[in-house]
Amino acid sequence: GQQLNQSPQSMFIQEGEDVSMNCTSSSIFNTWLWYKQEPGEGPVLLIALYKAGELTSNGRLTAQFGITRKDSFLNISASIPSDVGIYFCAGLYHSMNYGGSQGNLIFGKGTKLSVKP
Amino acid sequence: DTGVSQDPRHKITKRGQNVTFRCDPISEHNRLYWYRQTLGQGPEFLTYFQNEAQLEKSRLLSDRFSAERPKGSFSTLEIQRTEQGDSAMYLCASSLLGANTGELFFGEGSRLTVL
Repeated sequence: GQQLNQSPQSMFIQEGEDVSMNCTSSSIFNTWLWYKQEPGEGPVLLIALYKAGELTSNGRLTAQFGITRKDSFLNISASIPSDVGIYFCAGLYHSMNYGGSQGNLIFGKGTKLSVKP
Repeated sequence: DTGVSQDPRHKITKRGQNVTFRCDPISEHNRLYWYRQTLGQGPEFLTYFQNEAQLEKSRLLSDRFSAERPKGSFSTLEIQRTEQGDSAMYLCASSLLGANTGELFFGEGSRLTVL
């Protein structure tokens, strides 16, 4: 089945540093998304990417949809303590069914980010 | 609070018992999803509904798992004859039909511990 390889598995950084994480797949996806999960909470959508090569920013976060459609990266600039959490990439391959598009998200295993003040 | 609501937040049960989780989606969302998350892993898709129709259930982990959404609003996920391997966080999410698929709003999850 489809699998996403997310790296690094964990990161320990100093407040103010920039962070970069990425996600690769052996399969192509139509959509890449990045979610963040904090302890005891469900994942929250950060950024969604819909076209190969697309570069999108959300505040200090920037993400790109790889040209091959098999990878994506997420950068966080000038990290702050509240950036702590687990970051998941997720890929979606749309299939036409039941009269409309549907798709099931495939999640990576996450990158755990720790930020030292 | 108008987000996705799940109940109970925590459930401890003995092996062999049945458990049921409830999810109340965001009111105007017509798609509802169930995911399972184990420690150190990302969420794993189980099933989803569009209104009351269950459109995908082949990913349910076994025939002990079933889900319903009888009136197209709240949903329940039932696990019969629980096993220790069922211990996990069960996440519910919802979205709008017509919205970009993948943009899901997750609840806080129901954590199941099977002793």
